[in-house]
Amino acid sequence: EDKVVQSPLSLVVHEGDTVTLNCSYEVTNFRSLLWYKQEKKAPTFLFMLTSSGIEKKSGRLSSILDKKELFSILNITATQTGDSAVYLCAVEAQSGGSNYKLTFGKGTLLTVNP
Amino acid sequence: DTAVSQTPKYLVTQMGNDKSIKCEQNLGHDTMYWYKQDSKKFLKIMFSYNNKELIINETVPNRFSPKSPDKAHLNLHINSLELGDSAVYFCASSQGLRKETQYFGPGTRLLVL
Repeated sequence: EDKVVQSPLSLVVHEGDTVTLNCSYEVTNFRSLLWYKQEKKAPTFLFMLTSSGIEKKSGRLSSILDKKELFSILNITATQTGDSAVYLCAVEAQSGGSNYKLTFGKGTLLTVNP
Repeated sequence: DTAVSQTPKYLVTQMGNDKSIKCEQNLGHDTMYWYKQDSKKFLKIMFSYNNKELIINETVPNRFSPKSPDKAHLNLHINSLELGDSAVYFCASSQGLRKETQYFGPGTRLLVL
């Protein structure tokens, strides 16, 4: 069975801190790894990673994938209170023909205090 | 302009009832999804439709049936509702399977009493 494990489950930091969120996975026929940010309502897409070692960056957020060690990290530098959210990691895997499976981790709840 | 809309926003109903949740997207996307997020915030994909063809159907009970009348709509019908169906249901759409184009709807909070 495919597994996606995120750590830590929750994290409290002060504004300006840098945080690293972890996502490890065990899937068959890996296709891509996705990061989402979920505030009060719907998730919003952050990154999609398919290749090892290539950093994706968007402002203060960056992410990288290690397909050999089967994990990804999401970094947030100079955190702001608006970064407070649940960060979800998900892994897509091929499951025959054009079908695929998507497995989510339980998320990391990040709280940034002023 | 709303990209992905869902109705209703809230739905409270009794066990055993049949209900539907509607989803519409105006982004011109050809792929739509239904996700379920339980009380522990665990998100799980239920269905994915591409060009009106079902391309992913996770192990959900057959009481759940997606209906796609056209590319812009993917409705979720639930028969014989159970307490465990209480959750937030999110609709989403994307262009092909490109997740970087994916938008989620605001969610429908379903409570089964």
